[in-house]
Amino acid sequence: DQQVKQNSPSLSVQEGRISILNCDYTNSMFDYFLWYKKYPAEGPTFLISISSIKDKNEDGRFTVFLNKSAKHLSLHIVPSQPGDSAVYFCAASQGGKLIFGQGTELSVKP
Amino acid sequence: NAGVTQTPKFQVLKTGQSMTLQCAQDMNHNSMYWYRQDPGMGLRLIYYSASEGTTDKGEVPNGYNVSRLNKREFSLRLESAAPSQTSVYFCASRGGVLNTEAFFGQGTRLTVV
Repeated sequence: DQQVKQNSPSLSVQEGRISILNCDYTNSMFDYFLWYKKYPAEGPTFLISISSIKDKNEDGRFTVFLNKSAKHLSLHIVPSQPGDSAVYFCAASQGGKLIFGQGTELSVKP
Repeated sequence: NAGVTQTPKFQVLKTGQSMTLQCAQDMNHNSMYWYRQDPGMGLRLIYYSASEGTTDKGEVPNGYNVSRLNKREFSLRLESAAPSQTSVYFCASRGGVLNTEAFFGQGTRLTVV
């Protein structure tokens, strides 16, 4: 059973608009959540994170929202830029374990 | 700064052969991880080591073994490779405090024929 799910395999957005990437999880014991960005032939790189005791964390153009009651988190990118085109993974942590979702491929069109 | 280093970068194996994927980190991190990435499946956790001297199964441990050789090194062994183990393998490490980000290596592309 997939404990962390990203149900949208792909998303296409116009440059300058908002990109919203979604992630759902099933394990209520997860206490830390992260978003990663991945380009082809490279390892994933960390983008932004949020503790389970918070509901929002912002870093420049990136904001992560956490809804614990719905077991849902989202990543907002505003404004979207062509360089943001990549695969985005959400991840959830419980103790030493770190579980990732399937990824969403974001394409930002000029 | 090297960060997380994986070797080799590419490997082709025949079915039934064995090999060890090497991973080393120079950030003095406690936790280390092995993932595999397959199309449509995302990054799936194979094994992890929360601290030196401990290892635990992840989501897809069958067919793999790991060794946490010391704090720096965490190796992944395929005893008898199968075509289903064709994948891109990523090693990651994570700092002393648990709620921090993990840093990834560049990956090993493994093909089993």
